[in-house]
Amino acid sequence: AQSVAQPEDQVNVAEGNPLTVKCTYSVSGNPYLFWYVQYPNRGLQFLLKYITGDNLVKGSYGFEAEFNKSQTSFHLKKPSALVSDSALYFCAVRAGSNSGGYQKVTFGTGTKLQVIP
Amino acid sequence: ETGVTQTPRHLVMGMTNKKSLKCEQHLGHNAMYWYKQSAKKPLELMFVYSLEERVENNSVPSRFSPECPNSSHLFLHLHTLQPEDSALYLCASSQKFGLAENPSTDTQYFGPGTRLTVL
Repeated sequence: AQSVAQPEDQVNVAEGNPLTVKCTYSVSGNPYLFWYVQYPNRGLQFLLKYITGDNLVKGSYGFEAEFNKSQTSFHLKKPSALVSDSALYFCAVRAGSNSGGYQKVTFGTGTKLQVIP
Repeated sequence: ETGVTQTPRHLVMGMTNKKSLKCEQHLGHNAMYWYKQSAKKPLELMFVYSLEERVENNSVPSRFSPECPNSSHLFLHLHTLQPEDSALYLCASSQKFGLAENPSTDTQYFGPGTRLTVL
């Protein structure tokens, strides 16, 4: 069964410092990997995804994520955190497949990012 | 968020009421989802409709009844709910199936949610 682990319930970082939100996954075959962000009282917003190709993926709002196949990780990063980045971040995975058929997407439990002014 | 809309945004209901949540997607997607998000709990997938056919039903109590009349609309009918059903209910859509030469990546787009309170 596929799974996603976000080992940190909360990450605190000072404004201007680099941030990392961790994600590891388990899935059969090649993964499709996603990061979403949720601001208070809002739905989840898509940030970025890895499907194939370059292991470093760039997304919205200056975020990027690095796919590491050997470590089965897809950590979210940003070089310089903003107070407005404070939100709940979700990692998600599904099995990559071009053969059609239903493929389930599994979400992690979420990591709360707090950027301190 | 204008791609996926949800109504109402807030709902307060008694345990004996019957109400419905509505979701509409304007993205031309072929899959729609209902999630439940409770405080301090993981995001719970409730139902998935793919090409208007229900493909996921994750042990959801029968007091929640989904309906997908077409690829753009999804409903969640509620009756005799319990206080523990109070949560944020999120709808999402995705393009789950593409062409062989241009496969879909299944990125989900979420609505703003309905904040449900059961008294």
